[in-house]
Amino acid sequence: DAGITQSPRHKVTETGTPVTLRCHQTENHRYMYWYRQDPGHGLRLIHYSYGVKDTDKGEVSDGYSVSRSKTEDFLLTLESATSSQTSVYFCAISAGGDNEQFFGPGTRLTVL
Amino acid sequence: GEDVEQSLFLSVREGDSSVINCTYTDSSSTYLYWYKQEPGAGLQLLTYIFSNMDMKQDQRLTVLLNKKDKHLSLRIADTQTGDSAIYFCAESITGRRALTFGSGTRLQVQP
Repeated sequence: DAGITQSPRHKVTETGTPVTLRCHQTENHRYMYWYRQDPGHGLRLIHYSYGVKDTDKGEVSDGYSVSRSKTEDFLLTLESATSSQTSVYFCAISAGGDNEQFFGPGTRLTVL
Repeated sequence: GEDVEQSLFLSVREGDSSVINCTYTDSSSTYLYWYKQEPGAGLQLLTYIFSNMDMKQDQRLTVLLNKKDKHLSLRIADTQTGDSAIYFCAESITGRRALTFGSGTRLQVQP
């Protein structure tokens, strides 16, 4: 398995609270991605990073922000969680934008 | 366009062959990938094919690519219950910073 960990693996929170999910890699890959996976929608890209401090929006970025201060860590923040953000969140890494991506184990987030 | 489309569901009997199909719209793709996702887990890269190839075989897996029709398929020979999972195809395009994923095909293998 590629060296990707996500924390926490499960979280239950209340509407309006801030939440931060962490992705950590040991592969020194340049690209990191955050996806959410929901029934009927497949995988949807939230944000991605193509280097330290270099990030860009994906197709469903509203309500989410990201930060990457080190190569190995990519943080996803929900500033004020809503029930529509209940989902499974996956982090992925890649050596290049058109290279294969390797996925972390996922974080199941429930917003009550 | 960037759509990658897959059928939602496939059911086969154990020992039969499974064929999972995918269509894409961007003719400038470089690689096409197949991923497998088991329940409660992340996506696992199964295999991939370079866009100038038309077939790739890897043990029980055969990938066929028809560039003219922009059609990709994954054939699993002698399908086993452990093959039950969701299968995603994904497309990469030179110069883009992310893959484009299909919505996934759920394969159910009946004993």
